Amino acid sequence: SQQGEEDPQALSIQEGENATMNCSYKTSINNLQWYRQNSGRGLVHLILIRSNEREKHSGRLRVTLDTSKKSSSLLITASRAADTASYFCATDAFAGGGNKLTFGTGTQLKVEL
Amino acid sequence: GAGVSQSPSNKVTEKGKDVELRCDPISGHTALYWYRQSLGQGLEFLIYFQGNSAPDKSGLPSDRFSAERTGGSVSTLTIQRTQQEDSAVYLCASSLATGRETQYFGPGTRLLVL
Repeated sequence: SQQGEEDPQALSIQEGENATMNCSYKTSINNLQWYRQNSGRGLVHLILIRSNEREKHSGRLRVTLDTSKKSSSLLITASRAADTASYFCATDAFAGGGNKLTFGTGTQLKVEL
Repeated sequence: GAGVSQSPSNKVTEKGKDVELRCDPISGHTALYWYRQSLGQGLEFLIYFQGNSAPDKSGLPSDRFSAERTGGSVSTLTIQRTQQEDSAVYLCASSLATGRETQYFGPGTRLLVL
């Protein structure tokens, strides 16, 4: 089952604009990760934020985590056409000795020229 | 370096046949995970391995699904007597160890059961 719910489900912006995607989850977590998926195939890891962190940056990416609200956001600044993809948040609850990921429903981002 | 590889890339099979999907994790990664992505269910965890043992098989949808890992490396996911609802993209991931580690995904195997 999907733990995370992401919004919006779809987002269309112009190149150069910022894109913000949100993720909510239900249970306590060890960390939250964001992945990108192109054309329904392999997932590319973008960034991991641990439960004791509130904000993290990587290049044009900025991720926030609010454990009290069980939510996270991914901001992509100065978007490019190549950022067009589906973006998923995934939570790691580290139960039973393994960190299986529970994925959100995903946001489809389209960046137009 | 080489990433996670999966084979075949695409598989079309007839209902009732058995299929085997293969995953080669990143060298040195002790943890290996199988996920499934389908239109109706999104991305779902199936099973994970620590070394050759599978402590968590909770995501396997039925007893038609099984997986093994040998030599702490290659893993195969077997689906017996395939059904149309098994059609999905099967994704494999590996990580250096279990517990708070980034998972690196392969390109997936797209399975279509006719």
